[in-house]
Amino acid sequence: GAGVSQSPSNKVTEKGKDVELRCDPISGHTALYWYRQSLGQGLEFLIYFQGNSAPDKSGLPSDRFSAERTGGSVSTLTIQRTQQEDSAVYLCASSLAGQNTGELFFGEGSRLTVL
Amino acid sequence: QKEVEQDPGPLSVPEGAIVSLNCTYSNSAFQYFMWYRQYSRKGPELLMYTYSSGNKEDGRFTAQVDKSSKYISLFIRDSQPSDSATYLCAMNLGGRRALTFGSGTRLQVQP
Repeated sequence: GAGVSQSPSNKVTEKGKDVELRCDPISGHTALYWYRQSLGQGLEFLIYFQGNSAPDKSGLPSDRFSAERTGGSVSTLTIQRTQQEDSAVYLCASSLAGQNTGELFFGEGSRLTVL
Repeated sequence: QKEVEQDPGPLSVPEGAIVSLNCTYSNSAFQYFMWYRQYSRKGPELLMYTYSSGNKEDGRFTAQVDKSSKYISLFIRDSQPSDSATYLCAMNLGGRRALTFGSGTRLQVQP
């Protein structure tokens, strides 16, 4: 597809379960970002990939959160032992390498609800 | 204190009004300033970006940056119901670094 694709669009899970969220960036975009958006809040940065490496993972809130990117394309964000405070919309964005202007292209997000 | 402060609104205006949306920030090293628009249950989309102080106009939208005051604004002229969305300011330090976002202002334009 032409845009950033995220799956699942909605995920309801029980506290303590692990979840995996997937992001398929725009073809050719080497930079990939994960953000989290809680109700009424702005976007909270989680992690940034350049190719397959993650030069900035400073936003991951705890060691229950991890992410990987393979083949310079698809990325997976994994949350282990989910807690209720993990409920949020997880947004993925991609951009062209070398762009300093901050033009990120966002997917529609994965809405996570932890019961 | 957050690095970027933005009034959450909601802001309700009649169709045709001029809308002013604002953000203040604390880090003087920010170089690039953007406004994103987010419709309900959608991802944000870039509306405008500016580098350094000054104004930038694009159709009904004008972005203004005052680095000396650490203050940025977005003006919408002749607002339309289709402008109803959440507007997020964002900024970064340059290079391939993550954006820092404001919390967003929800705008409702009444027909």
